Amino acid sequence: KAGVTQTPRYLIKTRGQQVTLSCSPISGHRSVSWYQQTPGQGLQFLFEYFSETQRNKGNFPGRFSGRQFSNSRSEMNVSTLELGDSALYLCASSLGTGATNSPLHFGNGTRLTVT
Amino acid sequence: EDQVTQSPEALRLQEGESSSLNCSYTVSGLRGLFWYRQDPGKGPEFLFTLYSAGEEKEKERLKATLTKKESFLHITAPKPEDSATYLCAVSRGALTFGSGTRLQVQP
Repeated sequence: KAGVTQTPRYLIKTRGQQVTLSCSPISGHRSVSWYQQTPGQGLQFLFEYFSETQRNKGNFPGRFSGRQFSNSRSEMNVSTLELGDSALYLCASSLGTGATNSPLHFGNGTRLTVT
Repeated sequence: EDQVTQSPEALRLQEGESSSLNCSYTVSGLRGLFWYRQDPGKGPEFLFTLYSAGEEKEKERLKATLTKKESFLHITAPKPEDSATYLCAVSRGALTFGSGTRLQVQP
């Protein structure tokens, strides 16, 4: 069974640009969550989608947004990039939402560098 | 605010030298405590979920236990391939992660 796939693996952008990251969940998983990982802050929750609806959101500014499609694939967008947005962005899928305590299965992330 | 603190930050063991990693948490209404393993350049890999105090789960050389305030990940007779960062997280919907313990097992 294929795992969570994230594309691209690496991305370099300039401050002020926007970026879109993509995530394909494990087949049959309907919930997709996004996390940001940095050396200073560790893993921080961005948002969770289930059945194309945002079910939960972390404490990130509105520049961070996401969506989920009918096939459960998800995209995350960051607009007006700042240097501090440089991080590893991880997508995770699960059978149920966070409310059901379904274990998250993570992809290997997209490494975003903002210059 | 939910808080998760892991100790030690880093741990170096000789192959076969057993030890424990600690995860202390402060959360109201804990729904579950999760342990993950993360290798360099990869996403976290799920290990265990614990739901209530007194619960224990085992997988190969790893055993996770849970009390009302902390969880331990016991590593028995570790091998070099157990070297990784071990993360714990508490759940109230979304996961709140600790900063992890970097484990290095030397042959």
